[in-house]
Amino acid sequence: DAEITQSPRHKITETGRQVTLACHQTWNHNNMFWYRQDLGHGLRLIHYSYGVQDTNKGEVSDGYSVSRSNTEDLPLTLESAASSQTSVYFCASRAVDTGELFFGEGSRLTVL
Amino acid sequence: TQLLEQSPQFLSIQEGENLTVYCNSSSVFSSLQWYRQEPGEGPVLLVTVVTGGEVKKLKRLTFQFGDARKDSSLHITAAQPGDTGLYLCAGGSSNTGKLIFGQGTTLQVKP
Repeated sequence: DAEITQSPRHKITETGRQVTLACHQTWNHNNMFWYRQDLGHGLRLIHYSYGVQDTNKGEVSDGYSVSRSNTEDLPLTLESAASSQTSVYFCASRAVDTGELFFGEGSRLTVL
Repeated sequence: TQLLEQSPQFLSIQEGENLTVYCNSSSVFSSLQWYRQEPGEGPVLLVTVVTGGEVKKLKRLTFQFGDARKDSSLHITAAQPGDTGLYLCAGGSSNTGKLIFGQGTTLQVKP
């Protein structure tokens, strides 16, 4: 069965360190998204991609970057982690025909 | 900036009660989706509505899209403990292809 996986599921890091969260999907979807989830804010869009070599900023993109070198992967990088980036991060891919988002299980990041 | 306001943010009820969750915006959306999320997992799609005034039913859950496509509601009849979770509405834009999420409604159904 097709799936979307995130790694690591949990990570603790220190302020100023670079962190990369991996996202891999086997749905063969062109559209992929990164969200962060914080209490009281729902899901906020960080970056998204509509295909290989395409990346776009979402509403909370400062301090984050993504790259799309193939269809399956959209890694999210925090260039210099800050305590405000402590959150749960969700990657998703979207089926174009139905518009349904398929989410990974999330990556919980703690920045000390 | 498109915003979706969900209410209430928290709801704790007894098994068997009915409830309604609202999702409101000043913006028009091309589609409106409802997701349910359980602790430690990603959200899972419940339903998509695309036509103003559309009503969809999923067992005890009834979803409605407002006539002007700016708001939506989720009504649960005779809630059960298994309905406990976080419910998220998400508005879709045909121009950008992005989905904007509401803050979510945490539902607890006590046996």
